Amino acid sequence: DSGVTQTPKHLITATGQRVTLRCSPRSGDLSVYWYQQSLDQGLQFLIHYYNGEERAKGNILERFSAQQFPDLHSELNLSSLELGDSALYFCASSVASGYKETQYFGPGTRLLVL
Amino acid sequence: AQSVTQLGSHLSVSEGALVLLRCNYSSSVPPYLFWYVQYPNQGLQLLLKYTTGATLVKGINGFEAEFKKSETSFHLTKPSAHMSDAAEYFCAVSDTGAQKLVFGQGTRLTINP
Repeated sequence: DSGVTQTPKHLITATGQRVTLRCSPRSGDLSVYWYQQSLDQGLQFLIHYYNGEERAKGNILERFSAQQFPDLHSELNLSSLELGDSALYFCASSVASGYKETQYFGPGTRLLVL
Repeated sequence: AQSVTQLGSHLSVSEGALVLLRCNYSSSVPPYLFWYVQYPNQGLQLLLKYTTGATLVKGINGFEAEFKKSETSFHLTKPSAHMSDAAEYFCAVSDTGAQKLVFGQGTRLTINP
């Protein structure tokens, strides 16, 4: 158990809908990262927040957004869902920000768009 | 920009045999390298990491990896495979600019009894 929690574990929804994925980092960690794992793209970085501020963006679609709250939990919002958004979404956390940090991953949220 | 290549998307070994998972990286600066394991229907678990110092890194579950700068490699090994090692293994390099992990495509390890 990494100490990173994600809810829900599974999510099934329809095209065009909007969903929110939630992540709670390890106790004491200030950084939260979101990754998407799909069969065709592999593991792709989406976005990084540090202590409530966005620090880096990766291959995140405009239909997707995220935020980190004062209690340091983070939410990833996916809207106007398409079939291709079906994937496993991981959250990771680290103590601080920077490339030297070790990221610890949560169990993921499996999203299925029908 | 940093990148990672894992040689072979699948590897099958017999129980008790040597496990060797290959990873080559590209980085313009001294890299921070990681190996993660993903068991079926689970998240990514950190196996080991290389930051600086000793080039032979020991991790959990009997795995170790050796950083070879001259070969830009960070191969993962385990002397004797166990059935419980069946999983997907990901090599990753830390991107110095974007503060993210760049992953290889993964190698699925199958253990034959």
